Amino acid sequence: RKEVEQDPGPFNVPEGATVAFNCTYSNSASQSFFWYRQDCRKEPKLLMSVYSSGNEDGRFTAQLNRASQYISLLIRDSKLSDSATYLCVVNRLDSNYQLIWGAGTKLIIKP
Amino acid sequence: SAVISQKPSRDICQRGTSLTIQCQVDSQVTMMFWYRQQPGQSLTLIATANQGSEATYESGFVIDKFPISRPNLTFSTLTVSNMSPEDSSIYLCSVFDSTGNTIYFGEGSWLTVV
Repeated sequence: RKEVEQDPGPFNVPEGATVAFNCTYSNSASQSFFWYRQDCRKEPKLLMSVYSSGNEDGRFTAQLNRASQYISLLIRDSKLSDSATYLCVVNRLDSNYQLIWGAGTKLIIKP
Repeated sequence: SAVISQKPSRDICQRGTSLTIQCQVDSQVTMMFWYRQQPGQSLTLIATANQGSEATYESGFVIDKFPISRPNLTFSTLTVSNMSPEDSSIYLCSVFDSTGNTIYFGEGSWLTVV
């Protein structure tokens, strides 16, 4: 089992719809969780950190479920510009500064 | 946030040759990280570059293949040695921000080995 697993997609979603991604992680003691966004042929950029209590930033909501060991990302009222690959990131147990990256979920928003 | 400049941004190289990628950060940082992202794959950490000491390599990566320099707190280089087509990838330099909570990347170096 991979340490961080994501559905690779692609998710094809009409503009304005709501879309949700899940990401599972294998190590129950992981402490730091992030969602990054990567546009085609670009470097990854931080979208959101994921906190235990859940957090929201505009149209984006991130949640953590420790019992089931997954994090989720919800995008409401999706825009064409949301088309990208979304990467789930979890810290390594033995090092807070070393991260384990999921392979990413590709999202395509259609007009 | 940190501003990271990488060069070259892309290159096409002949197999058997070596290429050195440079990474410049606009602030002093203790650790710099080198990642590889092969087509359609997730990011894989190659090594952590610390100023004044040898780089720490991850499993599957060795110094002879990926020598790293870290001459000061704002600069690092990664060399991809004796390249083969399997080395075709994006190579990314990254650092943490001052809070240690967010990782920032350079724009990446797109390497194609023919």
